[in-house]
This record gives sequence, C-alpha cells and structure tokens, in this order.
Amino acid sequence: GIQVEQSPPDLILQEGANSTLRCNFSDSVNNLQWFHQNPWGQLINLFYIPSGTKQNGRLSATTVATERYSLLYISSSQTTDSGVYFCAVTRYRGSTLGRLYFGRGTQLTVWP
Amino acid sequence: DTAVSQTPKYLVTQMGNDKSIKCEQNLGHDTMYWYKQDSKKFLKIMFSYNNKELIINETVPNRFSPKSPDKAHLNLHINSLELGDSAVYFCASSRREGNTEAFFGQGTRLTVV
Repeated sequence: GIQVEQSPPDLILQEGANSTLRCNFSDSVNNLQWFHQNPWGQLINLFYIPSGTKQNGRLSATTVATERYSLLYISSSQTTDSGVYFCAVTRYRGSTLGRLYFGRGTQLTVWP
Repeated sequence: DTAVSQTPKYLVTQMGNDKSIKCEQNLGHDTMYWYKQDSKKFLKIMFSYNNKELIINETVPNRFSPKSPDKAHLNLHINSLELGDSAVYFCASSRREGNTEAFFGQGTRLTVV
C-alpha cells in the first residue's frame, strides 16, 4: 500500500500562532483529504484536495501531487483547533479503489 | 441531517459476546467502508462495499462480518468478542468515481471487558 507520513507528530501552540502541517506520500495518488479529529472523536472533513490550493477561513491547504506532498496551514490558531489532524490519500487501482490510506496524524494542542 | 450515521456511539460488552454496529448514509453514495482506529489513533480500513458487493476485505478475523442490505446501509457484526477488539470503529461512504471525497460517521467506541 501507500505510505503516508505526517509531521510533526505533536505541535503545541499559543492562541494566535500560525502553523504548517506536512503530509508526504510514497506513491502517486488520485485524491487527498485532510481531516480534523476533535476531542470528542469526530472526524471532520477539512479539505478534499487532490492538487492545487484551497482556502477555508483560517485554514488553507496545498497539494503538489507531482512531488508527493501536501501542506495544511492554520493561521491565528484558536483553542478549538486542538485535536488530531489526519492526512489520507486514495489511489485508483483495481481492488484498492476508493480506500483511504491514513497518516498517523499531527496532535495539535492550542493553549489560551 | 446527518450524512453518515452509526449506532451505537458507545458499546461496552463482555468477552465472548456477539455485537453489531449499524451504519446508514443518506448521501446517495455507492461505496461504504468500515475503518478501525486503534489505541494509538491509527486508522486502517477493514472492509469496503460497493453497491452491496464486497470489494475490500483487509485481513480481518472472520469473527468480523459486514453485511450490506442495500447501498445505503453497511452493518458490522462481531462474534466472540475479544479484549483486542476494543477500538473505535468508523463507518464512511464515498462515490465510486469522480469526486470521491469520503465522509465519516461519528464512530462507535467499543470496549470489551
């Protein structure tokens, strides 16, 4: 399968700080998603971003598929941003069609 | 309206019991999945169904049996529960082609005692 590596594994910030989370993947992919798992355990879709750049409020993401990485930017972080951020990729090949390969996540803690 | 809903949210049971987790999606998606999140929060696929047909079975013990009565439902039945089955189980759905963004249910935290 595809290896997905996320960095850093842990990140501690003060409210208002900016941060960049990175996702590297080992093979060509067709799709990439970023998720936020909040402290209640819910997996919330942040971005569906197979390539290019998208922005949603204080969050933005960039995927450079040819170089096999994606970045998630969080600006002016808030305590509600705390949780685990997952990157997951999909490759369309036979029986693996549609399955997501997850990274191990970045645990973000934002202090007031 | 919840797009992907699974029940129950919490399940505490004794070793050896049989239990089921239900999942329903109202997104009109063709493909549904079960993922397992372990104690270190790693998410890994267990099963995938496309339009009621099993397409991925990821080396899961045969005590786990998914059942898809229609393309909007995918249930997970677990026989003879073991301590190691304790985890959070997520149901998800996506289209098979085109925009295949996956959406997840809220998870079921299974604790086997």
